Order: sequence, then structure tokens, then C-alpha cells
Amino acid sequence: DVKVTQSSRYLVKRTGEKVFLECVQDMDHENMFWYRQDPGLGLRLIYFSYDVKMKEKGDIPEGYSVSREKKERFSLILESASTNQTSMYLCASSPSRTIYGYTFGSGTRLTVV
Amino acid sequence: ILNVEQSPQSLHVQEGDSTNFTCSFPSSNFYALHWYRWETAKSPEALFVMTLNGDEKKKGRISATLNTKEGYSYLYIKGSQPEDSATYLCAFPNRDDKIIFGKGTRLHILP
Repeated sequence: DVKVTQSSRYLVKRTGEKVFLECVQDMDHENMFWYRQDPGLGLRLIYFSYDVKMKEKGDIPEGYSVSREKKERFSLILESASTNQTSMYLCASSPSRTIYGYTFGSGTRLTVV
Repeated sequence: ILNVEQSPQSLHVQEGDSTNFTCSFPSSNFYALHWYRWETAKSPEALFVMTLNGDEKKKGRISATLNTKEGYSYLYIKGSQPEDSATYLCAFPNRDDKIIFGKGTRLHILP
């Protein structure tokens, strides 16, 4: 069964901490994505990557960075966590950005206190 | 940012009844239209990816139609069951190949 695995289901961090959210896929997909989901706002794209070491900003990249050193792993980094980054974070992968469906991880619910 | 609109926002349906809801998207520069089902405490699951005008896809009791000229897609559920309770998302790739998700239709099946 193909999988996208996010390392933590729940995470609590303090304001100002550097936070790493890890995502690993076993499907050899080129494209990987980070979204956040907030009530009333739907899924919003933070960053995506279409190849190793390549990254593109999504719609809300401020306060985040990403790393893709290996094809199967895409990390989201909160440089200095703030309370407005409390959210559900979803990672996804796909062989294409448009004509194939995305496979999502189970999500990480991050609380910044 | 292009808008993807879904309606209604929320829907309550009696078990056994059929239902449908709508996704509206810009009709220009069409590549594909995605539908996902997102059950509580699970991750979104791809239902359909539709690429051709007039396309109709089916998966069990769920089906979807696509009209790219007028910019809408319908998702139909026949004979709703409790396990159909979920949020249904549609998504549309924009000019930069970024997928834009709608805010979803939250479906509640009443026993």
C-alpha cells in the first residue's frame, strides 16, 4: 500500500522555537507539497517541490522554509514558530502537479504556545 | 489566485437519500479537476481526476460529471450511507500548475 508518512501526529512547541515537520513518501513521486488547513480557509499551499533540491513558494510561504535533499523526503521548517502557525499541516505527493490525484499524509496538528 | 467555489458549504442528508453538490472553477486554461473525500481523523483521499469536457466518472455509489465550458463539476452520491459522512473537496490547477482547493462541502448523513 502506497504511503505518505508524516513523522508526528500531534506536536506542541513554544513560540520562537525552530520546528521541523518531516514527510516521507514511498511512491517515487517527483512532486511533493505542504499544505496547512485552518477552519473556514480550506487547504492552503505553503511550498511545493518538483524535484530533489528544487522548491517553489506556494500561496502562504512567509515564516516557512523547506528542504528536499532526497526524492522521498520533504521537510517543512518553521524558522521561529509563532502562535499564528498553530494549524493542521498536511503533506502530499503526486507523479504530476495537475493530472494525477495527490496522496496525502495523515497530518500533523501543531500547537504553538 | 483563481477561485474554486464549492456549494453548499454544509449538507445534512437522510440515510438512503441521494444528494449532489457543486464545484465551480474558472473555465479558461483548464487542465484537470480533482475530487477528494476527507473523513474526520483521516487524510484526504483522491476520488476522481477529470480531464475531458463531458467526462463522467463513477466509483461505487459516487459519480462526478464535468463541464469545462461553463466551469462546473457535480458530485453525486446515490443512496447515502453513514460512511459517506465526510468533507468533499474539489481542486483545480491554476496557470502556475499549483492546485487550488475549494473550501469543501461538509456532508452529514443522518440515521
